[in-house]
Amino acid sequence: QTVVTQEPSLTVSPGGTVTLTCASSTGAVTSGYYPNWFQQKPGQAPRALIYSTSNKHSWTPARFSGSLLGGKAALTLSGVQPEDEAEYYCLLYYGGAYVFGTGTKVTVL
Amino acid sequence: QITLKESGPTLVKPTQTLTLTCTFSGFSLSTSGVGVGWIRQPPGKALEWLALIYWDDDKRYSPSLKSRLTITKDTSKNQVVLTMTNMDPVDTATYYCAQARVYYDSSGLNRWFDPWGQGTLVTVSS
Repeated sequence: QTVVTQEPSLTVSPGGTVTLTCASSTGAVTSGYYPNWFQQKPGQAPRALIYSTSNKHSWTPARFSGSLLGGKAALTLSGVQPEDEAEYYCLLYYGGAYVFGTGTKVTVL
Repeated sequence: QITLKESGPTLVKPTQTLTLTCTFSGFSLSTSGVGVGWIRQPPGKALEWLALIYWDDDKRYSPSLKSRLTITKDTSKNQVVLTMTNMDPVDTATYYCAQARVYYDSSGLNRWFDPWGQGTLVTVSS
């Protein structure tokens, strides 16, 4: 069974920068996995932030960016705002099916 | 404006079959590149991708749950139905549906899931 692993939790100061990563148990993550990133706040449905590695939706704040980093998909938050405190999930494509990551809780402190 | 809404029972008994309906508006499931997927989230746990049906009736399932899942669409009613057999308490979760898109642009092929429905909590208990 394929496992997609993220950092369980990260803490960042307001205005700071934090990078979340998304690793696949099958090996290096490439653009062919079409990495997606989602933000979920308590009691809410997830909202898409990034698709196909680095593309932003029209509503995605400029401080969010996606990339590939060291064989993993990565989401970088630059100039973090208090409202960025949330759970973040990556989603990878495996030739038909998809698998979500384990999620990263980002705390802004 | 695209909206999706999940509906179905809030409580099912172990071994029963769960049937959930996703009713959507603002897009057509007969449009090329469009799909509807199902995702669930047990209380306090991570998201889990379940299934996806495309405009051309191509269906994809989570390998770990494939034997228990069936996804169908009714294009005329703007609905997608997910059935899950042999429900167990570990299947207690909020079940979401979301629009899926697959399309080409100048940067190549793109895939995404958005927007999502509000989700519906299904509890499995005797």
